Amino acid sequence: GENVEQHPSTLSVQEGDSAVIKCTYSDSASNYFPWYKQELGKRPQLIIDIRSNVGEKKDQRIAVTLNKTAKHFSLHITETQPEDSAVYFCAASKGNQFYFGTGTSLTVIP
Amino acid sequence: EPEVTQTPSHQVTQMGQEVILRCVPISNHLYFYWYRQILGQKVEFLVSFYNNEISEKSEIFDDQFSVERPDGSNFTLKIRSTKLEDSAMYFCASRAGSAGNQPQHFGDGTRLSIL
Repeated sequence: GENVEQHPSTLSVQEGDSAVIKCTYSDSASNYFPWYKQELGKRPQLIIDIRSNVGEKKDQRIAVTLNKTAKHFSLHITETQPEDSAVYFCAASKGNQFYFGTGTSLTVIP
Repeated sequence: EPEVTQTPSHQVTQMGQEVILRCVPISNHLYFYWYRQILGQKVEFLVSFYNNEISEKSEIFDDQFSVERPDGSNFTLKIRSTKLEDSAMYFCASRAGSAGNQPQHFGDGTRLSIL
C-alpha cells in the first residue's frame, strides 16, 4: 500500500516568515495530493490540493509543489500569521483510498 | 455551503457495548469514508463505501466494524463490541464524482470514549 511520510513533525516560525512542510509518498500511481489544516478539536479542512498532471499550484499565501519523479510534494505558507497555527496533514490518493501523513504542528509566534 | 454532519459529537460507552456513529454526507456525493484519529496522532483510513458496498478497507477495519447506508441520507459506522483502544475521534467524509482526484469533505467528528 501507499506510505506517506511527513516532515517536520513540529515547526515554529516567526510571524511574517515562511513555513515549508514536506511529504513523500511511495506509490507512483497516486495522482491526487490534498493538504488539510486541522485546528484543535476540529475537523480537517482542505486548504489546497494538487493533481499529478500539475507541478505547482498557488492560492494567495499558500502554494503546493509536486515532484512526481522524486515522489514528493510540499506545502509553502508565506507571510505566516498567528491564525495559521494548526496541525497540517498531507495526503496521497489513488482511486478511492486516501493515505495521510503523520501531521505537522505549526506554531506561528507573534 | 453544504456540510457533512455527524452525530453525536461525543459518545461515552462501556467497554464491550455496541456503538453506532452516524453521518449525513453531502447530498450529491457518491463516495463515503470513515476515518479514525487517536488523540495527537494522524488520521487513519478505516473504510470507503460506494454504490452501497464497501470499496476498500484498512487492516484496522476488522470484524468488529461494519458500515451501512440504511436510507438515502445516513451513513453509519457500527462497532460491535467496543474495546478501550477504540477510544478516538471518528471522522466521516464524503466526496463527489467518479474521478479519483476529488477532494473529500470532513464532518466535525464524533469523539468516542470507551470506559
